[in-house]
Amino acid sequence: KQEVTQIPAALSVPEGENLVLNCSFTDSAIYNLQWFRQDPGKGLTSLLLIQSSQREQTSGRLNASLDKSSGRSTLYIAASQPGDSATYLCAVMVSSGGSNYKLTFGKGTLLTVNP
Amino acid sequence: SAVISQKPSRDICQRGTSLTIQCQVDSQVTMMFWYRQQPGQSLTLIATANQGSEATYESGFVIDKFPISRPNLTFSTLTVSNMSPEDSSIYLCSVEELGGSDTQYFGPGTRLTVL
Repeated sequence: KQEVTQIPAALSVPEGENLVLNCSFTDSAIYNLQWFRQDPGKGLTSLLLIQSSQREQTSGRLNASLDKSSGRSTLYIAASQPGDSATYLCAVMVSSGGSNYKLTFGKGTLLTVNP
Repeated sequence: SAVISQKPSRDICQRGTSLTIQCQVDSQVTMMFWYRQQPGQSLTLIATANQGSEATYESGFVIDKFPISRPNLTFSTLTVSNMSPEDSSIYLCSVEELGGSDTQYFGPGTRLTVL
């Protein structure tokens, strides 16, 4: 059974700092890995998607890496801003039987960026 | 990207009653998914709803407790039946677009409290 773990559970940093969020998964048989942010009352917003054949993806100040063989991914946020404060979720897409698939999520990292 | 709305956004219900949550998408989609997020926990997939076929439920979730309808390519409902306080959660609808890039888009969620 696939399990996704995110470390740390919570992180508080001053504005402007660069930071790294970690995600690990137990089964390397994944289709892709996705990073989301969750804001209260607004659902989830997709940040980056890395296909299983890729090593990294970048979008603006965000960079996500994937090492499928070791079951690890990192999300790097450069020059953090108070607007980055949210819960960041890591999820892997895996087969759920037949032609179906599903996302398995970690519990998230609660990020607070202080002005 | 798909825009998803959910109704209601929140509700407080009495135990033993049922609540139907609606999910509306602004474009046609193949796959619709229903997730549950219990307090302090990660998102867990309840079922996958494909238009024109029975929903596929994950282990631990059954149709009698969580009946799902998917009448067309832009709409789905999830009913939480015979509710107990353990059903208090955020319920989220998500979709994958037709011919999409595997990215899933999420609705804002329905926060359910069962007394």
